[in-house]
Amino acid sequence: GQNIDQPTEMTATEGAIVQINCTYQTSGFNGLFWYQQHAGEAPTFLSYNVLDGLEEKGRFSSFLSRSKGYSYLLLKELQMKDSASYLCAVKDSNYQLIWGAGTKLIIKP
Amino acid sequence: ETGVTQTPRHLVMGMTNKKSLKCEQHLGHNAMYWYKQSAKKPLELMFVYNFKEQTENNSVPSRFSPECPNSSHLFLHLHTLQPEDSALYLCASSQETADSGNTIYFGEGSWLTVV
Repeated sequence: GQNIDQPTEMTATEGAIVQINCTYQTSGFNGLFWYQQHAGEAPTFLSYNVLDGLEEKGRFSSFLSRSKGYSYLLLKELQMKDSASYLCAVKDSNYQLIWGAGTKLIIKP
Repeated sequence: ETGVTQTPRHLVMGMTNKKSLKCEQHLGHNAMYWYKQSAKKPLELMFVYNFKEQTENNSVPSRFSPECPNSSHLFLHLHTLQPEDSALYLCASSQETADSGNTIYFGEGSWLTVV
């Protein structure tokens, strides 16, 4: 079966760095997405990786290793507004998005 | 504002009621989606429409009935639901379905409670 694994919950301190991991087993690979979802709001697009390596976008970076079936989202200089759920999703060979259950990130002062 | 608008934001309905969820996208996209989001579970894809044609029905019970009159509007008709159907229903859109890099854009969701 197809599977996306990510930690259920993580806690970090304001101003620090946190890494949210995502491992996947899918039938084929056509890209990996990270979304942010604040409580009661729509998921919003953060990043897309289709080739191995690191994609940097401001305070957020996303890394992909296709051979390991592994990605991480790196958040630097954490702010209180970064408290949210972070969703990892992979497009399989049929271009269907397979979603993880999300990681709830709690930022403490 | 994501360009995808859902109404109502909150809905409480009895098990014998008939109601509908509405979604409208202002992004000029050709694909629209219904997802179900339950607590601590992955997003569940329910239905996909690409150029107004239904291309995906993920074994969704017939008490959920989608309608896509044009590429900007999507409805989810609800009838004789069960309490376990209580969840957040998310509408989304993308340029089209069969493209690896297509980003999908979500609406704010409709919180459904079945009593």
